[in-house]
Amino acid sequence: ETGVTQTPRHLVMGMTNKKSLKCEQHLGHNAMYWYKQSAKKPLELMFVYSLEERVENNSVPSRFSPECPNSSHLFLHLHTLQPEDSALYLCASSQTDRGKAFFGQGTRLTVV
Amino acid sequence: GNSVTQMEGPVTLSEEAFLTINCTYTATGYPSLFWYVQYPGEGLQLLLKATKADDKGSNKGFEATYRKETTSFHLEKGSVQVSDSAVYFCALSDRNRDDKIIFGKGTRLHILP
Repeated sequence: ETGVTQTPRHLVMGMTNKKSLKCEQHLGHNAMYWYKQSAKKPLELMFVYSLEERVENNSVPSRFSPECPNSSHLFLHLHTLQPEDSALYLCASSQTDRGKAFFGQGTRLTVV
Repeated sequence: GNSVTQMEGPVTLSEEAFLTINCTYTATGYPSLFWYVQYPGEGLQLLLKATKADDKGSNKGFEATYRKETTSFHLEKGSVQVSDSAVYFCALSDRNRDDKIIFGKGTRLHILP
């Protein structure tokens, strides 16, 4: 248990569906991240929220929409995804002046 | 921009062999360096870190030394075990660039009994 909790652990969705991934941390961290981990590809940083403001989006397609309502919660809203979006989506949090990140166990997403 | 390059896998070793996974970095500031490990079916966990030049991070028999002159942070272990089979990620965090954490591609390690 790292203190970062992601739900759901597994998600199967059709290309026309709308779903959301949730991440929660109670470590008192002030930065949260979404990463995408695809088979045979590097870990890709998608979004960073520092002090609840988005500071990075790395040219992620608009079908992925993050939301950070407070420092403890992070969402990734999904709509009209493509099969190539199937991957493990990892949430992480850190205290920005220390750099060490704690990861959730990820949501395994399959787009059919 | 900042980047991390690590050796491609998979790396396959026999139990009790010596392990080295190479990692080099590019950074404009003064980064902290990390190794993360991802065991099968789990999220990433911090394995070790070093925050300044010549620091040595160590944990669970693994070591890595922050070499500023060669911009490297190679991961080593003297005698690997089957339970060390995992994916290892080198990463950096640069205080001068919003502390964004940048990862390498990951190196998959297989240890044979």
